[in-house]
Amino acid sequence: AQKITQTQPGMFVQEKEAVTLDCTYDTSDQSYGLFWYKQPSSGEMIFLIYQGSYDEQNATEGRYSLNFQKARKSANLVISASQLGDSAMYFCAMREADGGATNKLIFGTGTLLAVQP
Amino acid sequence: DVKVTQSSRYLVKRTGEKVFLECVQDMDHENMFWYRQDPGLGLRLIYFSYDVKMKEKGDIPEGYSVSREKKERFSLILESASTNQTSMYLCASSPSGRTYGYTFGSGTRLTVV
Repeated sequence: AQKITQTQPGMFVQEKEAVTLDCTYDTSDQSYGLFWYKQPSSGEMIFLIYQGSYDEQNATEGRYSLNFQKARKSANLVISASQLGDSAMYFCAMREADGGATNKLIFGTGTLLAVQP
Repeated sequence: DVKVTQSSRYLVKRTGEKVFLECVQDMDHENMFWYRQDPGLGLRLIYFSYDVKMKEKGDIPEGYSVSREKKERFSLILESASTNQTSMYLCASSPSGRTYGYTFGSGTRLTVV
């Protein structure tokens, strides 16, 4: 069965430093997609970054990058130059292999990041 | 600029009540989803729909049903609310195609007393 594991329930980081949020996944599918979402205290889920399993380059979006290590089945999110506004819950997700186009995502349990001034 | 709208931000209902959670999207997306979010458990899929009048069970459908009579609207129904259904409920939509992520609503925090 497909599964996403986030082993860090919570993390602290100093403002302006970089931080890595861990995500490992389990799938037997060759084609899959990995996503990261941010959930601030207000509750809305914000899409951050996407990595396809066949993408040769690591995905980057501004201060966010995804450290994709396919052989290790890991898709860690790296946030550079942390800001106070980065304090939030972060979820890793994987597109489920259902053979169709319904695009179901399975989510990890999340990592709560606190950025300290 | 709101694209996925959940009708209520907070709801308090009594045990045994029938509860309707409404979700509307204005992006013409084919797929719509209902998740519940609980601390330490992440997001778990309750039901999803890939077309009007089509629905499929997710991982935790027990105690819930859904309705999708129009493309833009996806309703989650708690037939007889119970205290263990107290949770945050998130609606999401996405286009067809496997490279798209979701657009989420702002969530409904339901408390059943």
